[in-house]
Amino acid sequence: DAKTTQPPSMDCAEGRAANLPCNHSTISGNEYVYWYRQIHSQGPQYIIHGLKNNETNEMASLIITEDRKSSTLILPHATLRDTAVYYCIVRVAGGSQGNLIFGKGTKLSVKP
Amino acid sequence: GAGVSQTPSNKVTEKGKYVELRCDPISGHTALYWYRQSLGQGPEFLIYFQGTGAADDSGLPNDRFFAVRPEGSVSTLKIQRTERGDSAVYLCASSKRTSGGTDTQYFGPGTRLTVL
Repeated sequence: DAKTTQPPSMDCAEGRAANLPCNHSTISGNEYVYWYRQIHSQGPQYIIHGLKNNETNEMASLIITEDRKSSTLILPHATLRDTAVYYCIVRVAGGSQGNLIFGKGTKLSVKP
Repeated sequence: GAGVSQTPSNKVTEKGKYVELRCDPISGHTALYWYRQSLGQGPEFLIYFQGTGAADDSGLPNDRFFAVRPEGSVSTLKIQRTERGDSAVYLCASSKRTSGGTDTQYFGPGTRLTVL
């Protein structure tokens, strides 16, 4: 079973920030938080990951709470092309278990 | 550079037939993963290769499913005696799999398998 909880769906107005929450209250000290998204009929696309510090790249920002039990993915200026299912995943990086465990994710709809 | 590629993009077959799905990972990536995604669900893990060997095949649903990676690069997922329930999108991912550190998986576009 997925170790994360996400809302099933969210709406966001085009040009506004999209803030996608994720709860991972049972996260272990050596587990990273990964975010992927899947645009319709495409394979999952890596967005960002982090351990405990906030991270930012050209796609998004990842804010992880101090207790690491939850995080928020921020798309600063959402566009229609950001409409997708967003998956929050926790996993041990480089460990013996290689696979990602996907939940149902959050379906983000960006509206004009 | 080139990403993960999968062929064919679509495969339609009849119940009971044998199918092979191919994955070309990103050059230099030692780890390769197969996932299966049914409609409306997130991807589910099938098997993971580190080099030529299957490091974890715990996700394969039954012995009709088999995968190989003979030279540590291209991988083939093989399904025998296909059933209608095997219809899904089969996704492949690869990663550098460095020890310690993070090993981000990059996915291909998937092969949509339809069993009639």
